[in-house]
Amino acid sequence: DAMVIQNPRYQVTQFGKPVTLSCSQTLNHNVMYWYQQKSSQAPKLLFHYYDKDFNNEADTPDNFQSRRPNTSFCFLDIRSPGLGDAAMYLCATSRDLGQGGAFFGQGTRLTVV
Amino acid sequence: GQQLNQSPQSMFIQEGEDVSMNCTSSSIFNTWLWYKQDPGEGPVLLIALYKAGELTSNGRLTAQFGITRKDSFLNISASIPSDVGIYFCAQIIIQGAQKLVFGQGTRLTINP
Repeated sequence: DAMVIQNPRYQVTQFGKPVTLSCSQTLNHNVMYWYQQKSSQAPKLLFHYYDKDFNNEADTPDNFQSRRPNTSFCFLDIRSPGLGDAAMYLCATSRDLGQGGAFFGQGTRLTVV
Repeated sequence: GQQLNQSPQSMFIQEGEDVSMNCTSSSIFNTWLWYKQDPGEGPVLLIALYKAGELTSNGRLTAQFGITRKDSFLNISASIPSDVGIYFCAQIIIQGAQKLVFGQGTRLTINP
């Protein structure tokens, strides 16, 4: 059974139209991450939550926001998507920072038209 | 910032051949992680290493944590078509908060 679930798998949005991607986990992990992955590149960390503590990467654009209303769910909000934001967005969880690897969802492929 | 240098960037091999890839850094680490990503999917953890010198196997995969704690390699023996994908080394970096970061990846292509 999938332990980190991302919805939807594919999302098409219009240029400038806000979009929300969702992630849920059944692992009860403390940490949830959001990554952006463009074609032929490594995943790039946007931000992560340790419980309710939000940690933003210094180079993450303000256009990207996140919410974690409870342990199980985390959302990625893109306020005004541009063409350059088209990418695969990956959610991951880990039990605790520094302990073992992270478990990834299948990703959401975002297309901006 | 701390960078993971992964090589080679891509490999083209024949089915049945062995594969070797590595990851190096100028920093010392306490863990090394290896992930595989299939096309259109999220990365999947293959092997986690926690101790310098540690050699760990997972089926046809073998990974080692370098003694200097600055490098790691991943070997795949007797490759099969389903080994195709991108392999990433990864690290847990401490910069204020702790976070998981990836090497550039090695894209493996197998000719049947």
